[in-house]
Amino acid sequence: EAGVVQSPRYKIIEKKQPVAFWCNPISGHNTLYWYLQNLGQGPELLIRYENEEAVDDSQLPKDRFSAERLKGVDSTLKIQPAELGDSAVYLCASSLGWGTDTQYFGPGTRLTVL
Amino acid sequence: EDKVVQSPLSLVVHEGDTVTLNCSYEVTNFRSLLWYKQEKKAPTFLFMLTSSGIEKKSGRLSSILDKKELFSILNITATQTGDSAIYLCAVEARGSTLGRLYFGRGTQLTVWP
Repeated sequence: EAGVVQSPRYKIIEKKQPVAFWCNPISGHNTLYWYLQNLGQGPELLIRYENEEAVDDSQLPKDRFSAERLKGVDSTLKIQPAELGDSAVYLCASSLGWGTDTQYFGPGTRLTVL
Repeated sequence: EDKVVQSPLSLVVHEGDTVTLNCSYEVTNFRSLLWYKQEKKAPTFLFMLTSSGIEKKSGRLSSILDKKELFSILNITATQTGDSAIYLCAVEARGSTLGRLYFGRGTQLTVWP
């Protein structure tokens, strides 16, 4: 069975440019998570979806970050405009449900903002 | 503020050695503690612990939780070079943030041949 798929794996952009990351969760997983991981730190949750509804987005910087999961399957995370401090790895994870099920992570997208 | 602290931050050993990684936490309404292994890719799930004093084992890896003292340890016996990775500890709380994992900074383990 395929795991969580993310693309692109690497992205280099100049500051003030927009960027988007895509995630396809494990088939049948209703819950999808986006995490941010800075170098030398553990992942931090940005947003959690239950199907197509964002149920925990309190840590998403909404002035420049947005996310969507329109059909309750794959998801897109966008940054507009990007800043130097956004350079990090963006991880997507999914689980069958929330609260009781293991989260499975994708390989991440490494973003470098110049 | 909820907090997860791992120690040591880095560890270098030789193949065959046994290592113990530590994770302490301060989380309101604790529900579970999880260990992940992160190589140059996705964090992969190792263990989930919810009950105090019950050891979880998988091959050479084992983990135990002490809910009274608010910590967990991850043991790796007879280490191999393939064990080299970052080991992440995460804690989940009950309530409105159920499902949100709070991660520590990780322990970077390097196993030399």
